[in-house]
Amino acid sequence: DGGITQSPKYLFRKEGQNVTLSCEQNLNHDAMYWYRQDPGQGLRLIYYSQIVNDFQKGDIAEGYSVSREKKESFPLTVTSAQKNPTAFYLCASSPAGYTEAFFGQGTRLTVV
Amino acid sequence: AQKVTQAQTEISVVEKEDVTLDCVYETRDTTYYLFWYKQPPSGELVFLIRRNSFDEQNEISGRYSWNFQKSTSSFNFTITASQVVDSAVYFCALSEAGGGSQGNLIFGKGTKLSVKP
Repeated sequence: DGGITQSPKYLFRKEGQNVTLSCEQNLNHDAMYWYRQDPGQGLRLIYYSQIVNDFQKGDIAEGYSVSREKKESFPLTVTSAQKNPTAFYLCASSPAGYTEAFFGQGTRLTVV
Repeated sequence: AQKVTQAQTEISVVEKEDVTLDCVYETRDTTYYLFWYKQPPSGELVFLIRRNSFDEQNEISGRYSWNFQKSTSSFNFTITASQVVDSAVYFCALSEAGGGSQGNLIFGKGTKLSVKP
């Protein structure tokens, strides 16, 4: 089935550790995105990529890093520099242009 | 600056009631796109509708309908005869055509709808 796969669904990490969230899509979409969702808040854009080997910062990129080595994959690393990393992270992809974005099921990251 | 406001944080209705979710947006672009997404408890966002700024025609899809009014910068969503399965958080979002951020969505904070049997 075509779609976006995020793994793992739940992730626990100790404070100060880097952690990488996986996002894979088989929809042949050009653009991919990472959003962060906090309780009672809308989604905020962390990073986005419109083509392979290129990506741009979103509104809250500090403390995060990404790579786009393959069209299908857009992993997000939450570094120790991120002050408050506990959140729900959603990955999305879309074809070129202003069509709707398709979302994965999210990863809930808890830092203890 | 671009912004999406969903003033209703939570709404609770009884099954079969009609309910309207409000969305007000701000943008300087003349070309933009508006979206509604549904987020059930599982967490995944489900696309409901996209509307471009040149198309003010209202749309109906089953029990769902959308009212787009550029004069008031609003894009409201109505569920007719609500059902328990409609319980979710609903997000309104805006995508602007300019600025090199093609496809990026600006979200409102969402409205949590609870439909009680």
